[in-house]
Amino acid sequence: DTEVTQTPKHLVMGMTNKKSLKCEQHMGHRAMYWYKQKAKKPPELMFVYSYEKLSINESVPSRFSPECPNSSLLNLHLHALQPEDSALYLCASSQGAAGRTSDTQYFGPGTRLTVL
Amino acid sequence: AQSVTQPDIHITVSEGASLELRCNYSYGATPYLFWYVQSPGQGLQLLLKYFSGDTLVQGIKGFEAEFKRSQSSFNLRKPSVHWSDAAEYFCAVGDPNAGNMLTFGGGTRLMVKP
Repeated sequence: DTEVTQTPKHLVMGMTNKKSLKCEQHMGHRAMYWYKQKAKKPPELMFVYSYEKLSINESVPSRFSPECPNSSLLNLHLHALQPEDSALYLCASSQGAAGRTSDTQYFGPGTRLTVL
Repeated sequence: AQSVTQPDIHITVSEGASLELRCNYSYGATPYLFWYVQSPGQGLQLLLKYFSGDTLVQGIKGFEAEFKRSQSSFNLRKPSVHWSDAAEYFCAVGDPNAGNMLTFGGGTRLMVKP
C-alpha cells in the first residue's frame, strides 16, 4: 500500500477563519512533506518533517503552521490567510529520514484551498 | 543550486503515436532524476526514477526514460500513447547533497487526440 490520504478534498475559507488540513500515511514512512501548488505551476516545497521533527521550513509565512502529532499524521493549520494563498496543497511522505537520497516521495491527492 | 527545464509547455499527440517529453537539468554532479504524472485535480504519481547504473530506466504504464549525461537530459518516452495518458508531466531533480529535496521543472501538459 503506497497511499497518502488528505482531508478535506476541498476547503473554502474566509480571511479571518482558522482551519486545518490533514495528511495521513500508514506505510511506516518517517519523513513527511507539505507542498503548495498554484494552477499550472509545479509544486513548491513548504515544510519537511523527519522523525516527527521539523527539519525544513522554506521561509513560509507564519499564517501556515505545521504540526506532526505522530509518525503517521501531518497537519497544516491555517489562520488569517490571504486570497493569494488559494492553491492545491499536497502532502507527501518517504520512507527514511528526510534526505535519505534513495527514497521516493509518495504524494497524496491534495486539498484544493480557496480563500475568499 | 540545481534547476530543471522542461522546454515544452504543451504537447499534443494522436492516440497510438509515440511520445517524447524533454527534460534538461543543471547540476554539478549526477543528480537523482524523477518523472511524475499529475491528472487534473490529483496528486503526483511517480512514473520512474534514475539514481545510477543503466541509463535506460523502465517505469510504470509503459513509460521509459533515458539519462544522457553529456546532454544533461532525462527525456521521457512512450512508444504508443493512450487517451488516458493525457495529464501534466513533471520532471524533478533530487540533490543528494541537500537532503534529496526535489526541484521540479515547470511541467508539460500532454493532450491526446483521438
